[in-house]
Amino acid sequence: AQKVTQAQTEISVVEKEDVTLDCVYETRDTTYYLFWYKQPPSGELVFLIRRNSFDEQNEISGRYSWNFQKSTSSFNFTITASQVVDSAVYFCALSEAEGADGLTFGKGTHLIIQP
Amino acid sequence: DAGVTQSPTHLIKTRGQQVTLRCSPKSGHDTVSWYQQALGQGPQFIFQYYEEEERQRGNFPDRFSGHQFPNYSSELNVNALLLGDSALYLCASSTGTGGVQYFGAGTRLSVL
Repeated sequence: AQKVTQAQTEISVVEKEDVTLDCVYETRDTTYYLFWYKQPPSGELVFLIRRNSFDEQNEISGRYSWNFQKSTSSFNFTITASQVVDSAVYFCALSEAEGADGLTFGKGTHLIIQP
Repeated sequence: DAGVTQSPTHLIKTRGQQVTLRCSPKSGHDTVSWYQQALGQGPQFIFQYYEEEERQRGNFPDRFSGHQFPNYSSELNVNALLLGDSALYLCASSTGTGGVQYFGAGTRLSVL
């Protein structure tokens, strides 16, 4: 069975600070995908990134960066120079890479950026 | 290009009733997945439809059923509603296997 753990329930930082959201996953599959989604107060889940289990390269997109470490089954997300607009609930998710691909989500981390 | 659209936005039902939620996928997408998100929790996978058939199902009872139409739109039906079915129901669309799932804004169901 697949499992995603986001141990940080809520994080509060002051604007312009860097913040890292942790994600640890469990799966028996050898190939899989990892995702991060953002859920603002409006409720719609916004896709941020997908990473294939064979690709362990870190990725940077503007102020966002992701660190995938297969050895520790972690896929952490860092926001550099946080902004108030980054305030939201962030979800890490996992799916199989072959066959049906229903997502297994963590419980989410509520990120609060204070001005 | 319209994204994933869901209707209705909000719904109030009483215990024992039946409800139907609707989803139109993003243009070009052929796969629809449904998720239930209880307050303060992550979304839970209900099932996925592809080529008008249920391709995968999560750990939900048979009271939850679905359908996909030839135009790829989908419905989620819940029978014999329980108070615990109160949640945000999210629809996501994608293409093929492993495609990124894009979500709609959801339907908030309240069961009284």
